[in-house]
Amino acid sequence: QKEVEQDPGPLSVPEGAIVSLNCTYSNSAFQYFMWYRQYSRKGPELLMYTYSSGNKEDGRFTAQVDKSSKYISLFIRDSQPSDSATYLCAAANTDKLIFGTGTRLQVFP
Amino acid sequence: DTGVSQDPRHKITKRGQNVTFRCDPISEHNRLYWYRQTLGQGPEFLTYFQNEAQLEKSRLLSDRFSAERPKGSFSTLEIQRTEQGDSAMYLCASSFSGSSTNEKLFFGSGTQLSVL
Repeated sequence: QKEVEQDPGPLSVPEGAIVSLNCTYSNSAFQYFMWYRQYSRKGPELLMYTYSSGNKEDGRFTAQVDKSSKYISLFIRDSQPSDSATYLCAAANTDKLIFGTGTRLQVFP
Repeated sequence: DTGVSQDPRHKITKRGQNVTFRCDPISEHNRLYWYRQTLGQGPEFLTYFQNEAQLEKSRLLSDRFSAERPKGSFSTLEIQRTEQGDSAMYLCASSFSGSSTNEKLFFGSGTQLSVL
């Protein structure tokens, strides 16, 4: 079993839709949770960083962590075609990040 | 540009050749990471340094792979006797780790390796 599990998609939504991306993790020692966005043939770009359970909002993006169920989510409101990318969830203790497989998202006009 | 810089962006080599990649981290960052990513997969941890010390290597990492970070600045990743299975994107990332650990990793654009 992978330490961080993520549905690879692809996920296809119309412009303006609310997108929900989800991951589960198995290691209770994970303290930090991140979401990265990766465009084709580019390096991952940090989108959201959370430490504790609860919600964190940044513009159209909301990251949610539920440590009791080991579940992390990213919500994208008013999705745009420019949001089309692969979204990677990641978790860490005090050293390396462990990534999920990534979910490919396509937002069509 | 003050981000993580990787060189080269692309490398094509023949099976059995050695290749070396370079990474220049964000200047104030003390940690440097190497990851490998294949198509349709998330980045896979290879190794990381804190300053010049290599603190961890993945068990999956073949002994054909070696990484250095002399003087705690830039890092190089060398692959000896390349195999077709080494074809992947090699990603470098850096972070600042202090007394209140804050593991925000910032990635470079990667080096795409193709082994023919």
